[in-house]
Amino acid sequence: AQKITQTQPGMFVQEKEAVTLDCTYDTSDQSYGLFWYKQPSSGEMIFLIYQGSYDEQNATEGRYSLNFQKARKSANLVISASQLGDSAMYFCAMREAPGFGGSNYKLTFGKGTLLTVNP
Amino acid sequence: DAGITQSPRYKITETGRQVTLMCHQTWSHSYMFWYRQDLGHGLRLIYYSAAADITDKGEVPDGYVVSRSKTENFPLTLESATRSQTSVYFCASSWQQPGGYYEQYFGPGTRLTVT
Repeated sequence: AQKITQTQPGMFVQEKEAVTLDCTYDTSDQSYGLFWYKQPSSGEMIFLIYQGSYDEQNATEGRYSLNFQKARKSANLVISASQLGDSAMYFCAMREAPGFGGSNYKLTFGKGTLLTVNP
Repeated sequence: DAGITQSPRYKITETGRQVTLMCHQTWSHSYMFWYRQDLGHGLRLIYYSAAADITDKGEVPDGYVVSRSKTENFPLTLESATRSQTSVYFCASSWQQPGGYYEQYFGPGTRLTVT
């Protein structure tokens, strides 16, 4: 079973509008973290935002916010006031509990959503 | 320059050849990772390392070998390249942020084609 599911292979949004990119996850851990990364056409991976499972408030970073609904196991990324430069692939990722010795800081990624911002 | 670098950036090799992809980071981060990115699969973890001389398998380790004799370097070797290993390979390193979480910093990627 997939641990991270991004159900939208592609999304379109008009410039200056808000857009929500969906992410659901599957874990039995109580302690975990959720990340969003952006990958523009140039290929680099850019960290956007992080949400810890124990964080009571939704994370925000500038125009990015994370709509964290723990009971539904969803961690949707909201981009407000979309810009042309937001056109990119967006990946949701999860870090599960570190495990004994604290060495398990690896991430599991979803398959991504390709966002296109139209002028 | 500080950061994480990968070399080569592009590589074409033949089936059966051994190939080594290099990864170097200047931050002295403890954790390092190798991912491959393929259409329709997102990023999948190949191997990771918690410190020098400590490595472990990820989701898709078959056909790959890693070593980490120094904290800053984490080479990935394809012992006998196959066409299915044609992919973009990302190296990443990780360090704890002030907020307590471990953000991963990615290298620019290596595009490998196996003919």
